[in-house]
Amino acid sequence: NAGVTQTPKFQVLKTGQSMTLQCAQDMNHEYMSWYRQDPGMGLRLIHYSVGAGITDQGEVPNGYNVSRSTTEDFPLRLLSAAPSQTSVYFCASSWGRRFWQPQHFGDGTRLSIL
Amino acid sequence: KNQVEQSPQSLIILEGKNCTLQCNYTVSPFSNLRWYKQDTGRGPVSLTIMTFSENTKSNGRYTATLDADTKQSSLHITASQLSDSASYICVVSAKKNNDMRFGAGTRLTVKP
Repeated sequence: NAGVTQTPKFQVLKTGQSMTLQCAQDMNHEYMSWYRQDPGMGLRLIHYSVGAGITDQGEVPNGYNVSRSTTEDFPLRLLSAAPSQTSVYFCASSWGRRFWQPQHFGDGTRLSIL
Repeated sequence: KNQVEQSPQSLIILEGKNCTLQCNYTVSPFSNLRWYKQDTGRGPVSLTIMTFSENTKSNGRYTATLDADTKQSSLHITASQLSDSASYICVVSAKKNNDMRFGAGTRLTVKP
């Protein structure tokens, strides 16, 4: 079972460049989300989606865009990369945003902005 | 200040020994608390979930406790194995919109 697949695993960008982090899940989950993980800090929610065509902002949305055209895919776009966006990005999915449903995480994209 | 604080930040133990990881939170109103295990280079994986009415829950060698009055949880690992080396993350959800707050994690290293 693939679960949640994130690509690429590693990426180096120059300041000002844009890119898209891909996330796909094969569990037919309604809820998908993007987090960033920085040293010494807990995961922070960037954007989330409760279903195809519906997205909303999380705790740290600035500098990122998302879209959800299908149930399976939830790409994260960096509009103009900044060094402060150097981080590890995790995509997660679950049946819904209900506490008894654990989130399934991908293995992350490690992004460095020079 | 983070609403979920974990201690210690890191811990080194010998294989076969027990250890206890702590999670203190201020998230309110409390809905549930979940412990995740995150292996190096991987995403977090859920170990167990605690709701308001639960005091103790076990998952193999992992036992989680919750004291909702003092807003504390612990994760006890018994007879540690090398494969237990990982970061353990505490996540607390609030009743409002099930907003989740993540702790920074405890990095556990089990040495032979």
